[in-house]
Amino acid sequence: DTEVTQTPKHLVMGMTNKKSLKCEQHMGHRAMYWYKQKAKKPPELMFVYSYEKLSINESVPSRFSPECPNSSLLNLHLHALQPEDSALYLCASSQDLSGSGSYNEQFFGPGTRLTVL
Amino acid sequence: QKEVEQNSGPLSVPEGAIASLNCTYSDRGSQSFFWYRQYSGKSPELIMSIYSNGDKEDGRFTAQLNKASQYVSLLIRDSQPSDSATYLCAVNQPYSSASKIIFGSGTRLSIRP
Repeated sequence: DTEVTQTPKHLVMGMTNKKSLKCEQHMGHRAMYWYKQKAKKPPELMFVYSYEKLSINESVPSRFSPECPNSSLLNLHLHALQPEDSALYLCASSQDLSGSGSYNEQFFGPGTRLTVL
Repeated sequence: QKEVEQNSGPLSVPEGAIASLNCTYSDRGSQSFFWYRQYSGKSPELIMSIYSNGDKEDGRFTAQLNKASQYVSLLIRDSQPSDSATYLCAVNQPYSSASKIIFGSGTRLSIRP
């Protein structure tokens, strides 16, 4: 059983819709991540939060807007997406952002399969 | 040069044999190395972490790290059909202000009965 949960499991949205993806971790971790994964490709990092502050934004388009309400929750707000944004969106968490060792171990949630029509 | 390289496969191994998966990385400053297993349509699952040169064993899995050669491998003993998946090698990116891991493109492993 994963201790990182994501909702919804599947989402279909039009290009003019606004929707949100939600992630919750129950491990007491202080770092949380959003990744995007296209078919047959590795996960691509989008955002990193550390102690509820945005630490890394990998030049993600502004139609993706992250939010970290508290150390257990991470949201990804979606607006005016394009069909090419269809992908599996993964949330992950790690103990913190220390430079080495087990603190770096990232645990993934089950993902949200997003389809943009 | 890609930062983390893996053979994309597919790697086909008979049931009961040893599967050997390899990964090379470019940054000598990397200190943390991970293997994730990903079944089709599912999310990556962390199966091994290694931080020091040498071998680390966990059940049927052994991770091997050679920092001088910038090489990390995963051995799966007594391969089972349930081991058929894509295996992602991941390496931490050093010197950044935050923890960031770089994934290889993954190796597809197929265990044939």
